[in-house]
Amino acid sequence: QSALTQPASVSGSPGQSITVSCTGTSSDVGGYNYVSWYQQHPGKAPRLMIYEVSNRPSGVSNRFSGSKSGNTASLTISGLQAEDEADYYCSSYTSSSTRVFGGGTKLTVL
Amino acid sequence: QVQLVESGGGVVQPGRSLRLSCGASGFTFSRYGMHWVRQAPGKGLEWVAVTSSDGSNNHYADSVKGRFTISRDNSKSTLYLQMNSLRAEDTAVYYCAKDWQNFDYWGQGTLVTVSS
Repeated sequence: QSALTQPASVSGSPGQSITVSCTGTSSDVGGYNYVSWYQQHPGKAPRLMIYEVSNRPSGVSNRFSGSKSGNTASLTISGLQAEDEADYYCSSYTSSSTRVFGGGTKLTVL
Repeated sequence: QVQLVESGGGVVQPGRSLRLSCGASGFTFSRYGMHWVRQAPGKGLEWVAVTSSDGSNNHYADSVKGRFTISRDNSKSTLYLQMNSLRAEDTAVYYCAKDWQNFDYWGQGTLVTVSS
């Protein structure tokens, strides 16, 4: 049950786009379309932003999008806004019927 | 609206036990799988355990297997986490989260501190 690999930090200026990667194996990310992404502001509970690789829950801005290629999933945020500054986590279903999170990525809006 | 409220956290000595609860409302609890996820201070999210909608299918992270037990009472719309043989590294905020696949709703968490 090794954690998925995410960059520790990414940054961008308001209006720009950024992409956060999430790399796993064929036993998790690559094997299933059950990759999801979560936003967490300091001191708050996580919030679901993307589910099943590329689907947005109701209420989530269409500036957030997800994709997957092989064992790597990606979260893209376009038109960066100050309120996007937060920690982002990916998660995947695994072949053992467990779940695994990435280590988290801190997004800084410059 | 969906609400998940965790309780039962606190300070406990190493080797002792604690039971967390998560009260659910705003949805048909018995239809959904439920998870426990934890976050150590200043660290990332760690998945802990999942239970199916009827409680018959449970899975655990290796770090807690054999020590923690997830269960539910659908008549009370409540999820539980029985934590035995607690260790310092179990210190974390524990969240309950809804849905078998997608953690679509989260509680606000309850802090468990394991310390002598």
